[in-house]
Amino acid sequence: TQLLEQSPQFLSIQEGENLTVYCNSSSVFSSLQWYRQEPGEGPVLLVTVVTGGEVKKLKRLTFQFGDARKDSSLHITAAQPGDTGLYLCAGTTTDSWGKFQFGAGTQVVVTP
Amino acid sequence: DVKVTQSSRYLVKRTGEKVFLECVQDMDHENMFWYRQDPGLGLRLIYFSYDVKMKEKGDIPEGYSVSREKKERFSLILESASTNQTSMYLCASSFFTGRGEQYFGPGTRLTVT
Repeated sequence: TQLLEQSPQFLSIQEGENLTVYCNSSSVFSSLQWYRQEPGEGPVLLVTVVTGGEVKKLKRLTFQFGDARKDSSLHITAAQPGDTGLYLCAGTTTDSWGKFQFGAGTQVVVTP
Repeated sequence: DVKVTQSSRYLVKRTGEKVFLECVQDMDHENMFWYRQDPGLGLRLIYFSYDVKMKEKGDIPEGYSVSREKKERFSLILESASTNQTSMYLCASSFFTGRGEQYFGPGTRLTVT
């Protein structure tokens, strides 16, 4: 059973549309990261959130950490084909002692 | 720029062979990790190390061992490769304290036939 549940598992949209990916848990996280992974490559860190209620923006990507630090969301505005990839959330809990828990990932496909 | 490198991008081995996967990081990170990634299962932690010669089992350590003789290098060993170890293997590193950001290598696609 995954500690972090991501939804949806797969998302296919047209260029210019918006999308949101969710990452949920029943555990409290000290910090939570979002990564993007392209085929045949390792995940690349996009952002880290640490404070409940925190919102971070990275160009067209907006990341939010839930007030209770149990959930997070990634919103992409006006998606482009270059946003295509596997989006992974990961985090550490207060008792995980440096170990990271990963969600199963959301595969996003943006078609021109 | 943080750099994590892995010794091979693609590897094909036969059942029963001993397999070594090497990972090197250049950021003086204390923590290093080995994951395997399989479709639908996400990343699963095999082993991690928080210091030289120290290691901790992750969620799926069976069939694997690790070695960390130097801070920058973390090796994953498959003692006797089996077909169910065919997977993408990812190495990562991070600071011991801090915000918990991990940096990943490009991965090794291992096929055991």
